[in-house]
Amino acid sequence: ELKVEQNPLFLSMQEGKNYTIYCNYSTTSDRLYWYRQDPGKSLESLFVLLSNGAVKQEGRLMASLDTKARLSTLHITAAVHDLSATYFCAVDEAGGGSEKLVFGKGTKLTVNP
Amino acid sequence: ETGVTQSPTHLIKTRGQQVTLRCSSQSGHNTVSWYQQALGQGPQFIFQYYREEENGRGNFPPRFSGLQFPNYSSELNVNALELDDSALYLCASSLGSHNEQFFGPGTRLTVL
Repeated sequence: ELKVEQNPLFLSMQEGKNYTIYCNYSTTSDRLYWYRQDPGKSLESLFVLLSNGAVKQEGRLMASLDTKARLSTLHITAAVHDLSATYFCAVDEAGGGSEKLVFGKGTKLTVNP
Repeated sequence: ETGVTQSPTHLIKTRGQQVTLRCSSQSGHNTVSWYQQALGQGPQFIFQYYREEENGRGNFPPRFSGLQFPNYSSELNVNALELDDSALYLCASSLGSHNEQFFGPGTRLTVL
């Protein structure tokens, strides 16, 4: 059974600082997603990572994937208050004909002025 | 292009009742997946429908059931509601069962 672990679960940081969120998963998968969720809202897709060594960047966020280590990172550069949200990684547990996403517990990020 | 829509937005039920949640997939998408997100947790996969057939199921009891219609919209039915069924229910659509899923706004269900 695929397990996805994120750490930290809670992250409080100051504006302008850098930090990294980690996502480990237990079995082989061919795709990994990062989502953002604001309180009471749905999931907003940030990145789709499809291959080993994939790196994607959007604004102050950069995601990478190491399939050999079964590890993805979401790096935050020079954080701003607007980045405050909960961030989830999700891994595709393929097999049985369907794409079942297995999510981590999420990292609640608070960026303080 | 219309995105994924869900109805209702919020719903309050009492234990033992039954509920039906609805989802309209994004234009051109033929696959719908349902997830349950309890407060403070990540979403959990309930099941997926592809071309009107169940195409994978998570670890949920049979009182969670679904349908997909010829226009690819979908329903999630939950019988004999329990307090622990209180959650945000998310629907996601995709083109095919192995492609990126796009999430709807969710339905917040409260069971009293």
